[in-house]
Amino acid sequence: QKEVEQDPGPLSVPEGAIVSLNCTYSNSAFQYFMWYRQYSRKGPELLMYTYSSGNKEDGRFTAQVDKSSKYISLFIRDSQPSDSATYLCAMSASTGFQKLVFGTGTRLLVSP
Amino acid sequence: GAVVSQHPSWVICKSGTSVKIECRSLDFQATTMFWYRQFPKQSLMLMATSNEGSKATYEQGVEKDKFLINHASLTLSTLTVTSAHPEDSSFYICSARGLIVGRQETQYFGPGTRLLVL
Repeated sequence: QKEVEQDPGPLSVPEGAIVSLNCTYSNSAFQYFMWYRQYSRKGPELLMYTYSSGNKEDGRFTAQVDKSSKYISLFIRDSQPSDSATYLCAMSASTGFQKLVFGTGTRLLVSP
Repeated sequence: GAVVSQHPSWVICKSGTSVKIECRSLDFQATTMFWYRQFPKQSLMLMATSNEGSKATYEQGVEKDKFLINHASLTLSTLTVTSAHPEDSSFYICSARGLIVGRQETQYFGPGTRLLVL
């Protein structure tokens, strides 16, 4: 079993839709949870960072962590074609962004 | 703008040759750099952690004699794939851990290097 499971997609939605992206994990030691966005032929860029359980909101993006269920989510409101990218969840048991464990990434396509 | 660069962005080589990939942090000093490998439809897998001025720490299953890592300065780390074989064909991506003023501390990723070994 992989430490982090993520549906690879692709997930296709119309512009303006609410998008829900999810990851599950098995390692209860994970405390730091991140979402990265990766455009084609580019490196991943950090979107959201959350410590332990709870919600965090930044503009159109909301990250949720449920440690009891070992489940994290990223919601995108009012999705735009420019949001089309691969979204990777990443987790770490240690501080300082050491030893990140990534999901496979979900490819999102937002059509105009 | 980009804060981590990689060179080359892609490389094709013959089996048995060695390939060197450079990773540079552009706007900050990175005491720690990371090297990942990503096969199609798979996760980024951490290969090694590189600290400036010391030997790299390799993840289980990664051959340190095959994947030579040098982190000679606070802005440059290199990965050399020695005696490359077709099974080494992959997407290699580096990241640099750092804190840039006004941004969240994180690992900043380079754009990656696609390696194809014939």
